[in-house]
Amino acid sequence: QVQLQESGPGLVKPSETLSLTCTVSGDSIRNNNYYWGWIRQPPGKGLEWVGSMYYRGVTVITYYNPSLKSRLAISADSSKAQLSLKLTSVTATDTAMYYCGRLLRYSAAAVDSWGQGTLVTVSS
Amino acid sequence: DIHLTQSPSFVSASVGDRVTITCRASQETNNYLAWYQQRPGKAPKLLIHAAFTLQDGVPSRFSGSGSGTEFTLTISNLQPEDFATYYCQRLYDYEVIFGPGTTVDSK
Repeated sequence: QVQLQESGPGLVKPSETLSLTCTVSGDSIRNNNYYWGWIRQPPGKGLEWVGSMYYRGVTVITYYNPSLKSRLAISADSSKAQLSLKLTSVTATDTAMYYCGRLLRYSAAAVDSWGQGTLVTVSS
Repeated sequence: DIHLTQSPSFVSASVGDRVTITCRASQETNNYLAWYQQRPGKAPKLLIHAAFTLQDGVPSRFSGSGSGTEFTLTISNLQPEDFATYYCQRLYDYEVIFGPGTTVDSK
């Protein structure tokens, strides 16, 4: 049974960089049946896809939400079974619960496994 | 601008009711669409993918249908644990799009 666990600071100051890590157990992030990615949810609002990645050989292929692309970087370290998110120049609108997820690559990226989420608040 | 709409936004229902939620896409693509359930304070849970394929462990009272640009999630014989918010989701090129959600609450 795959498990995903997000970790990172719960409070980030405006204009700084939000950094989160997702540690995966029970599956390999090199498993090419899946994408691995991030989804966020502002308090009281709906779900927003942040970005996804998968391994093509030794190369990490990434896909980003166009609205976040200029500030976003997703990376992975298969030796640590981790994927990471960095979002620069954050503002209050980036305050959200951030979920790590495993996405079914051959079923239109349906997210079949979710982490419990980590709440990130952007505030001075 | 590619987007998904859901109707209704809210539905009040009683245990035992049949509830239908519709998801409409602004552009047609393949017939892959997913549905999620999210209870308050919890991560979403995948119910259905590829429009009608029930995820393992999901009760059979949940069913999905549709094609093209219109898809439906039906909950037959609503149970107390089904009061939640439901989201649809599609993939366009490599962009994942979620619908705005439909909240099912108790009448």
